[in-house]
Amino acid sequence: AQSVTQPDIHITVSEGASLELRCNYSYGATPYLFWYVQSPGQGLQLLLKYFSGDTLVQGIKGFEAEFKRSQSSFNLRKPSVHWSDAAEYFCAVGARGYSTLTFGKGTMLLVSP
Amino acid sequence: DTAVSQTPKYLVTQMGNDKSIKCEQNLGHDTMYWYKQDSKKFLKIMFSYNNKELIINETVPNRFSPKSPDKAHLNLHINSLELGDSAVYFCASSHHQRDNSPLHFGNGTRLTVT
Repeated sequence: AQSVTQPDIHITVSEGASLELRCNYSYGATPYLFWYVQSPGQGLQLLLKYFSGDTLVQGIKGFEAEFKRSQSSFNLRKPSVHWSDAAEYFCAVGARGYSTLTFGKGTMLLVSP
Repeated sequence: DTAVSQTPKYLVTQMGNDKSIKCEQNLGHDTMYWYKQDSKKFLKIMFSYNNKELIINETVPNRFSPKSPDKAHLNLHINSLELGDSAVYFCASSHHQRDNSPLHFGNGTRLTVT
């Protein structure tokens, strides 16, 4: 069965500092990987996705993620965090068609001034 | 021009009542979903419909009954509400089998059962 682990429940980063959110997955075949962001009271917005090809994918809002098959990881990064990035971040793994998309439990990002 | 819209945004009701949540998408997607997000923010799929046909039905009490009148709508009806049903319910849509079609989520319906 597929699963996603986000080991950090919450992370606090100073504004302007770099960010890395960890995600490890378990999946029997080649995974499709996603990062979503959820602001308070909002739905989930897709930041980026990986299907195949270049293992470093660029997303919206200056985020990027790197797929490392050997480590079963898909960590999200941003070089300089803005206060507006404070939100909950979800990593997800799925198969083609998304019918079996599995989410991690999320990492809450807090941004300090 | 909201892509995935669900109503109501908030729903407060008493135990034992029956309630419905509606969802509509105008993206032309052929697959729609209901996800439940519990108090710990954990998201779990409940149902998935492709072209009005049920394709996923996770371990959900049969008090929950999804209905898809057409591929742009997926409603969720809940009978005999219980305290444990309190959660945020998200509707989503996508193109089944199209790799570049991500899940698009609605803004959620916060259900509170008292």
